Amino acid sequence: SQTIHQWPATLVQPVGSPLSLECTVEGTSNPNLYWYRQAAGRGLQLLFYSVGIGQISSEVPQNLSASRPQDRQFILSSKKLLLSDSGFYLCAWSSQGPTGELFFGEGSRLTVL
Amino acid sequence: SQQGEEDPQALSIQEGENATMNCSYKTSINNLQWYRQNSGRGLVHLILIRSNEREKHSGRLRVTLDTSKKSSSLLITASRAADTASYFCATDGNTGKLIFGQGTTLQVKP
Repeated sequence: SQTIHQWPATLVQPVGSPLSLECTVEGTSNPNLYWYRQAAGRGLQLLFYSVGIGQISSEVPQNLSASRPQDRQFILSSKKLLLSDSGFYLCAWSSQGPTGELFFGEGSRLTVL
Repeated sequence: SQQGEEDPQALSIQEGENATMNCSYKTSINNLQWYRQNSGRGLVHLILIRSNEREKHSGRLRVTLDTSKKSSSLLITASRAADTASYFCATDGNTGKLIFGQGTTLQVKP
């Protein structure tokens, strides 16, 4: 069966520090991969999605970047965090394209101080 | 915006009662999905209903879709304390991506 792992679960970082959140999927090949951000009490905002290795689409201009170095690995990064980067980050995958059923990781809560 | 809008924002009921949540959207869709999120956790897919379907069931869940009114409802029957969570609708619209609503927070009191 397919599983998705996301880490770290919780992160407290100072403003201006770098960020790296990792996500890996097991049990499937060539998944579509997504990074979402959820502000407190709000819905999900799509940040990046990828349909293959090295193929990244950015949805909103921001202080973040994403990379897909391997088929089932998706990384969210920042060189210098801002206070506004705080939030709950969710990685997800799908096999049916960007509008099919999504399978989410457990999330990474980032607090920037 | 073609984002789904859930209503109500918050709902509190007693165990055993039914819970109904609504979702409205603005553009035509191919499908509409409902997800559940326990506090501090990832989202879990509940049900997908296609634009040519009017009703779908899964266990204690019943989803309806009215494309003429651009709305959907999620009914949870005989609610349990374990149903306490936030529920989100997501629509595909014509952007080629899923757009999530703000969610309905459901509290089921034992």
